Amino acid sequence: DAGVIQSPRHEVTEMGQEVTLRCKPISGHDYLFWYRQTMMRGLELLIYFNNNVPIDDSGMPEDRFSAKMPNASFSTLKIQPSEPRDSAVYFCASSQYLQGSNQPQHFGDGTRLSIL
Amino acid sequence: GQNIDQPTEMTATEGAIVQINCTYQTSGFNGLFWYQQHAGEAPTFLSYNVLDGLEEKGRFSSFLSRSKGYSYLLLKELQMKDSASYLCAVRDSGNAGNMLTFGGGTRLMVKP
Repeated sequence: DAGVIQSPRHEVTEMGQEVTLRCKPISGHDYLFWYRQTMMRGLELLIYFNNNVPIDDSGMPEDRFSAKMPNASFSTLKIQPSEPRDSAVYFCASSQYLQGSNQPQHFGDGTRLSIL
Repeated sequence: GQNIDQPTEMTATEGAIVQINCTYQTSGFNGLFWYQQHAGEAPTFLSYNVLDGLEEKGRFSSFLSRSKGYSYLLLKELQMKDSASYLCAVRDSGNAGNMLTFGGGTRLMVKP
């Protein structure tokens, strides 16, 4: 089975530019999560969706960040305008959920973003 | 909110046993996950505990005490490839669904 697919794997761009990160979740998974990982702050949840609907975006750092999930097989995370402090590894994860179940989140390989 | 603590770094010797601890505070516990993350790679699922006790999976075991807000991951017969970060994550019953809060991770270095 194909896992969570993210693109691009690496992105280097200049500050002020728009950055778009893409994610294809595992087929049949009804939850999708966007995380950011840095050495200083670890793995932070930015936003998550259930059945394509955003449930909690309290982790989105500021208005420069936005996320969409137009259908069950695709999501984007946009940063506009980008700043050097946005440099991090961005992970997308997906899961199924049943109350009390051990369904884990499955992570994509991440996008390593560098803002110059 | 949630507070999850685990040691930042640990070192152990190949062939030995190591225990990585995790303590947490949550308003409504609904499961604890351990993930392994090699440098430059994605986190991968290792184990899940929701009831008190020990869950064993080959060389890896995970223990949970809900009353103490405590879990540990036990790695036996350490191999060099076990050098990685180990992330403890807690699911809160107050969350709408499968949202996890991750600890900062414990970087384990296995030496020959």
